[in-house]
Amino acid sequence: RKEVEQDPGPFNVPEGATVAFNCTYSNSASQSFFWYRQDCRKEPKLLMSVYSSGNEDGRFTAQLNRASQYISLLIRDSKLSDSATYLCVVNMNTGFQKLVFGTGTRLLVSP
Amino acid sequence: ETGVTQTPRHLVMGMTNKKSLKCEQHLGHNAMYWYKQSAKKPLELMFVYSLEERVENNSVPSRFSPECPNSSHLFLHLHTLQPEDSALYLCASRRQGGNNEQFFGPGTRLTVL
Repeated sequence: RKEVEQDPGPFNVPEGATVAFNCTYSNSASQSFFWYRQDCRKEPKLLMSVYSSGNEDGRFTAQLNRASQYISLLIRDSKLSDSATYLCVVNMNTGFQKLVFGTGTRLLVSP
Repeated sequence: ETGVTQTPRHLVMGMTNKKSLKCEQHLGHNAMYWYKQSAKKPLELMFVYSLEERVENNSVPSRFSPECPNSSHLFLHLHTLQPEDSALYLCASRRQGGNNEQFFGPGTRLTVL
């Protein structure tokens, strides 16, 4: 079983749509959780951290369910500029931050 | 953004060559990372340096040899690589502590012939 699993997509949505991405992780000892965004032929960049209480940043909402080992990202009112690959990332270490990445979910927002 | 720079951006090498990838961070961070990103596969952590000491070697073949001479610079020395080593090699840096973000460089696109 992969350590971090995501649906690779692509998700094709129109502008203004709401889209949700899911991710599961296998190691219950995982310490912290993130969503990164990677544009085509660019480096990954942190989108947001994910907290057990859920957290929101503008149009983006992240949720964590430790019991089910499940992470989600909701994007409301999609923009063309949201088109990218969204990487689910799990930190396995409390010391030096050992990140394990999912393969990513590709999102295409069309006019 | 020029917080983390990598050179060269593209590299083509034969299997018998020796080359080095360079990473430099201008963010005052004290941890640095090498990752490999192959097509259709997730980013794979290769090495971690914390306070200039290697703290993680993620089962990487010895034909990859990292070097961290100071907290701002990280190298990846390459020798006798295989075609399957062709990938995007990403460097990242971070300030230790808490959930501080890792900042990635633009990567070196490596092709091994």
